Amino acid sequence: DAGVIQSPRHEVTEMGQEVTLRCKLISGHNSLFWYRQTMMRGLELLIYFNNNVPIDDSGMPEDRFSAKMPNASFSTLKIQPSEPRDSAVYFCASSLTQGRETQYFGPGTRLLVL
Amino acid sequence: RKEVEQDPGPFNVPEGATVAFNCTYSNSASQSFFWYRQDCRKEPKLLMSVYSSGNEDGRFTAQLNRASQYISLLIRDSKLSDSATYLCVVNLYNQGGKLIFGQGTELSVKP
Repeated sequence: DAGVIQSPRHEVTEMGQEVTLRCKLISGHNSLFWYRQTMMRGLELLIYFNNNVPIDDSGMPEDRFSAKMPNASFSTLKIQPSEPRDSAVYFCASSLTQGRETQYFGPGTRLLVL
Repeated sequence: RKEVEQDPGPFNVPEGATVAFNCTYSNSASQSFFWYRQDCRKEPKLLMSVYSSGNEDGRFTAQLNRASQYISLLIRDSKLSDSATYLCVVNLYNQGGKLIFGQGTELSVKP
């Protein structure tokens, strides 16, 4: 059974460009989480959805970041315009429901903004 | 103060050693607790949940002390393959089931 799928796996872009990260949930899961990981700040929750509805976006750094879940199995995280300080690994995770259920992480997207 | 704090690493131990990781959390509303493992340049994966009565999974034992807001992970007879970063995680039900991750403790098991 396929796990969480993220694309691209690596992205190198120049400051000011738009970046779109994609995530496909595990089939049947209802909750979707976007995280960012850096050496300095560790793993931070950016936003999460339950049944396609954004529940908590308090971790989104600023208006340059936006996330959507156009259907039950797919989500995008967009950064526009990108800045060097956005360089990080971005993980998507899904779970059966929010709450006690285990979160399963995708392999991550390594983003480098020059 | 960080919501979840862990021992600063790295821990460098020989094969066969017993190693313990500690973690404290600040939010008393935390309802469930986990240890995740993250290998270098990989995604975090659930190692084990932590129950109030303590629980064991092979060489791994997790303990929870709600009064002290303290969680521990003990690894016995460590293997080279245990080398990874161990992340302490709490789940905040009063914030919709949000997971809060500690910074992680790096373990390196040497031959």
